[in-house]
Amino acid sequence: AQTVTQSQPEMSVQEAETVTLSCTYDTSENNYYLFWYKQPPSRQMILVIRQEAYKQQNATENRFSVNFQKAAKSFSLKISDSQLGDTAMYFCALYRGTGANSKLTFGKGITLSVRP
Amino acid sequence: GAGVSQSPRYKVAKRGQDVALRCDPISGHVSLFWYQQALGQGPEFLTYFQNEAQLDKSGLPSDRFFAERPEGSVSTLKIQRTQQEDSAVYLCASSSATGSVVYGYTFGSGTRLTVV
Repeated sequence: AQTVTQSQPEMSVQEAETVTLSCTYDTSENNYYLFWYKQPPSRQMILVIRQEAYKQQNATENRFSVNFQKAAKSFSLKISDSQLGDTAMYFCALYRGTGANSKLTFGKGITLSVRP
Repeated sequence: GAGVSQSPRYKVAKRGQDVALRCDPISGHVSLFWYQQALGQGPEFLTYFQNEAQLDKSGLPSDRFFAERPEGSVSTLKIQRTQQEDSAVYLCASSSATGSVVYGYTFGSGTRLTVV
């Protein structure tokens, strides 16, 4: 079984500042993918960033970057220069498997509020 | 279409009523997934299709839940004799690859089901 844990239910950050969202996971697989998804009130899940487990280099997408610690099974998301539009729920997710065993496992999410 | 379309966007059902939720994936996408998201929680996997074949239905919570994708495109999630615990947002996602997230999932905006 695989699990994803997001222990912070909510966070708040001032506009233009930096915030880090935490995530830990557990899997027995050696090859897997990790994701951060954003879910605004419109409910549509939007992919923020993706990390392949076999890559040591941390993924970066503009203002979003991750700190991937494979041995510690930790995968945190850093948002730099926070913007009001970043206000949303953020979900950490783990993917493993191919074919019939393919599925994403999500954490419970964190509500991020960006203050003007 | 340009994105994953789900209908209806909102559904209110009386307890015991049957409901059908529709997902229209991106044209040509092979893989289709259904997730259930309870209020304040992360999405939970329900079932996975590759074309018209249902390869994994391990997440369906009871035999009242049934999903189909007869022609390998549009999918319907049916819930019989709805119960209050079925109240949730039902998300559909599709992917061009056969179960792989390398090319990414695209999520719809979901159907919010409320059972009264």
